[in-house]
Amino acid sequence: RKEVEQDPGPFNVPEGATVAFNCTYSNSASQSFFWYRQDCRKEPKLLMSVYSSGNEDGRFTAQLNRASQYISLLIRDSKLSDSATYLCVVFSNTGNQFYFGTGTSLTVIP
Amino acid sequence: DGGITQSPKYLFRKEGQNVTLSCEQNLNHDAMYWYRQDPGQGLRLIYYSQIVNDFQKGDIAEGYSVSREKKESFPLTVTSAQKNPTAFYLCASSRVSSYNSPLHFGNGTRLTVT
Repeated sequence: RKEVEQDPGPFNVPEGATVAFNCTYSNSASQSFFWYRQDCRKEPKLLMSVYSSGNEDGRFTAQLNRASQYISLLIRDSKLSDSATYLCVVFSNTGNQFYFGTGTSLTVIP
Repeated sequence: DGGITQSPKYLFRKEGQNVTLSCEQNLNHDAMYWYRQDPGQGLRLIYYSQIVNDFQKGDIAEGYSVSREKKESFPLTVTSAQKNPTAFYLCASSRVSSYNSPLHFGNGTRLTVT
């Protein structure tokens, strides 16, 4: 079983739509959680950390459910510039490693 | 500004040659990582280091070697033993054992071996 699993998509949504991505993780001792954005042929860039109480940054909202071992990312009012691959990343202090989902592809259509 | 610098951005080599990818950071991070990404796939861990003069194999270490002689530097050598070296290589760093400390990535080296 993979440490982190994501639906690869693709998600194709119209501009202005709300879209949600989920990610599950297998290690209950996982400590920190992040969403990264990766544009084609570029490095991943931190979109936001995910806190236990949930957190929001503009149009982006991240949630963590430790009991069910999943994290989510909600994007409201999608823009064309949101088109990218979104990576779910989990840090476990068992081995001090980061574990990556394979990414969810989002295309926002005019 | 602090960050991670990878060089070169593009690298072309003939099969059978060793090649070294550079990674330097000025974020004062203890931990550094090397990942490989193939088209349409996720990141896979090659090697990581949490302290100078120490490093551990990741999931796909065969055919690669690293050194960590300085805190700022973590070069990766792709040897001729690596069966399929053409890929996008990403170096990253983070603080060690610090809650909610994310990974910071360099802008990557795209290696093509023919």
